[in-house]
Amino acid sequence: QKEVEQNSGPLSVPEGAIASLNCTYSDRGSQSFFWYRQYSGKSPELIMSIYSNGDKEDGRFTAQLNKASQYVSLLIRDSQPSDSATYLCAVYKTSYDKVIFGPGTSLSVIP
Amino acid sequence: ETGVTQTPRHLVMGMTNKKSLKCEQHLGHNAMYWYKQSAKKPLELMFVYNFKEQTENNSVPSRFSPECPNSSHLFLHLHTLQPEDSALYLCASSPLLGAAGELFFGEGSRLTVL
Repeated sequence: QKEVEQNSGPLSVPEGAIASLNCTYSDRGSQSFFWYRQYSGKSPELIMSIYSNGDKEDGRFTAQLNKASQYVSLLIRDSQPSDSATYLCAVYKTSYDKVIFGPGTSLSVIP
Repeated sequence: ETGVTQTPRHLVMGMTNKKSLKCEQHLGHNAMYWYKQSAKKPLELMFVYNFKEQTENNSVPSRFSPECPNSSHLFLHLHTLQPEDSALYLCASSPLLGAAGELFFGEGSRLTVL
């Protein structure tokens, strides 16, 4: 079982819609969870961090964490063409001081 | 300069060459990382340094040799590489306390091994 799993996509949504990205992880000892955005030809950029169960909102982005289900999600409201990118889910394990990434989900927002 | 800077941005080398990648961070962070990104594969963690001490070597072949002379600089020395080592090599830094795990990446060094 891979440590961090995501649907590879591509996920296509129309402009203005909600994009929903999902991620599962295998290690229950994981403590911190992150979403990174990577545009084509660029390096990853941190967009959201979440550390406790529930929702965390930042502008058009909402991260959701359910540790019992080992599930993290990212919702993007009012999707814009500029949101078209690959979204990487990442998990941090303090005991190992490692940040492990999922394979990423490619999102395409259609004007 | 600000953020995380990597040089060179592009590198082409033969299998018998020796070269080095350099990373410098200006964020005051205490942890630095090397990741490898190949096409169609997740980011692969290679090395982790905390306060200049290597804390992780993720089963990386010995033809990759890291060096961390201080908390702001990180090198990846390359020798006798294979064509399958062609990839984007990303350096990142992170604070150890409070926001540990929040990575700030450089622009990457695109390596091609002929």
